[in-house]
Amino acid sequence: QKEVEQNSGPLSVPEGAIASLNCTYSDRVSQSFFWYRQYSGKSPELIMSIYSNGDKEDGRFTAQLNKASQYVSLLIRDSQPSDSATYLCAVSRIYGNKLVFGAGTILRVKS
Amino acid sequence: DAGVTQSPTHLIKTRGQHVTLRCSPISGHKSVSWYQQVLGQGPQFIFQYYEKEERGRGNFPDRFSARQFPNYSSELNVNALLLGDSALYLCASSLRTQGDTEAFFGQGTRLTVV
Repeated sequence: QKEVEQNSGPLSVPEGAIASLNCTYSDRVSQSFFWYRQYSGKSPELIMSIYSNGDKEDGRFTAQLNKASQYVSLLIRDSQPSDSATYLCAVSRIYGNKLVFGAGTILRVKS
Repeated sequence: DAGVTQSPTHLIKTRGQHVTLRCSPISGHKSVSWYQQVLGQGPQFIFQYYEKEERGRGNFPDRFSARQFPNYSSELNVNALLLGDSALYLCASSLRTQGDTEAFFGQGTRLTVV
């Protein structure tokens, strides 16, 4: 079992729709969760961090965390073609020294 | 403020050679981590350094080594390069080492081993 699992996609959504990206993790000691966006040929860019159960909103992005289910998700409202990228989920322990990444989900927003 | 800077951006090496990659963290950040990303996968942790001390090491062979300098910049060295070392090497900068600290990546160094 991989430590962090994501559906590889591609996930295709029409412009203006809500994109829902999911991530599960196996290490119950994980305490911090991050979403990175990576455009083709570029490096990962941090878009959201979440540490507590519930929702955290930042502009068009909402991260959702459920530690009991070991599940974290990212919602992108009003999806734009510029949101087309690979979205990486990363987790770490509170006293950990490394990020553990999933393989990423490819998102395609069609205009 | 400048973000994380890495050099070089691209590099082509021959099998058996060695390579040195460099990273300057965000001003004020004392922790630097190195990751390797191969096509189609997420980044894999190689090393973390904080205040010039190694704080973590991933599952990579001893051919990989790193160090951090007094100005918090860092370099990653890889000896006896193999074809499988071809990847995007990423440096991440963070304020501290605790897991709730956000990490910011540089643009990466694309290493091709031929």
